[in-house]
Amino acid sequence: KQEVTQIPAALSVPEGENLVLNCSFTDSAIYNLQWFRQDPGKGLTSLLLIQSSQREQTSGRLNASLDKSSGRSTLYIAASQPGDSATYLCAVRRGAGNNRKLIWGLGTSLAVNP
Amino acid sequence: DGGITQSPKYLFRKEGQNVTLSCEQNLNHDAMYWYRQDPGQGLRLIYYSQIVNDFQKGDIAEGYSVSREKKESFPLTVTSAQKNPTAFYLCASTRQGGEKLFFGSGTQLSVL
Repeated sequence: KQEVTQIPAALSVPEGENLVLNCSFTDSAIYNLQWFRQDPGKGLTSLLLIQSSQREQTSGRLNASLDKSSGRSTLYIAASQPGDSATYLCAVRRGAGNNRKLIWGLGTSLAVNP
Repeated sequence: DGGITQSPKYLFRKEGQNVTLSCEQNLNHDAMYWYRQDPGQGLRLIYYSQIVNDFQKGDIAEGYSVSREKKESFPLTVTSAQKNPTAFYLCASTRQGGEKLFFGSGTQLSVL
């Protein structure tokens, strides 16, 4: 059974710091992995999607890596800003053809302090 | 701008009452989903629909019902059979064959 874990549950850093959020999964047979951002009381916004054949994806100050063999993905945020404060969730897709097979982590709540 | 609109933002349910959450999208997406989010738990899939007039149960469909009469709309009814309905409900969509999920802003349902 696939399980997705995000550690730490909460993180507080000063503005400008580079930081890494972690996502671990127990079954390496994944189709893809997505990182999302959720602001308090709001919906989720997709940040990056990494296919199983890829090693990393980049968007602006964000870089997500995937290591299937170790069951781990990291989301790197460069030069963090107070506007980056949010909860970051990762989700693993188990198979092709059906988006419902997403297994979600509980998220890491990030606070970037001015 | 295209997107997903959920309404209302806050909803209160009385004992024994059915309530309906609205989800409308103008992204021309074929697939739509309903998720439930509870503190300390990952998102859980309630129902999903890949095409008009067709939908399938997710992992926690008991006590919920949906319809998909139009491509743009996928309302969720929380029935009186759902004994623990307090949660944040999220609607999402994807284009046909797509993998990127687009979410609405959510509805917080509470019990009076």
